[in-house]
Amino acid sequence: TQLLEQSPQFLSIQEGENLTVYCNSSSVFSSLQWYRQEPGEGPVLLVTVVTGGEVKKLKRLTFQFGDARKDSSLHITAAQPGDTGLYLCAGGTNAGKSTFGDGTTLTVKP
Amino acid sequence: NAGVTQTPKFRVLKTGQSMTLLCAQDMNHEYMYWYRQDPGMGLRLIHYSVGEGTTAKGEVPDGYNVSRLKKQNFLLGLESAAPSQTSVYFCASSSLRLAGAQETQYFGPGTRLLVL
Repeated sequence: TQLLEQSPQFLSIQEGENLTVYCNSSSVFSSLQWYRQEPGEGPVLLVTVVTGGEVKKLKRLTFQFGDARKDSSLHITAAQPGDTGLYLCAGGTNAGKSTFGDGTTLTVKP
Repeated sequence: NAGVTQTPKFRVLKTGQSMTLLCAQDMNHEYMYWYRQDPGMGLRLIHYSVGEGTTAKGEVPDGYNVSRLKKQNFLLGLESAAPSQTSVYFCASSSLRLAGAQETQYFGPGTRLLVL
């Protein structure tokens, strides 16, 4: 079983602060995805990274895939209350299914 | 497009009762998935399907059965519900993978199940 560990599990910060969420595994994944989930809703895809060392930016969010394709990070600059939610990473395999991490619950206080 | 829809949205069962959760997608996706999500945990794959008429076990398949008789529908059945199956159930679908990359999974709004 391929496992993904996310850290921290909970994060509470003030508006305007920066933060980084980590997703680590001992397994190699063909791709890695980050999702954001709001209460009462299903997860929504933010980004997919497929190449070791790849960096993608989505406005104030920066995603990085480790060189060995075993880990990833999500960095948010100048966090806003609208960024509040559960952030999930998911490792893709060639078998057509994903392994999800346990998530990071982010709260951004005004 | 409605995307991925799930019925019912909420259900309360007594231990031993049975029920079926329905997932429907209108995006002509080949892959469909059933996950459960428990407090403080991510999504755990129960069963999945790579096409009409096919199903496969995921990470936590015990106590559940699935069927994919039509491409657009994926049914999750609980034959004899147990309190341990109290959870939020999410269905997702995705198109065929291309070039080894994982395609986007589109999730439904979830079904909240309480087993007493």
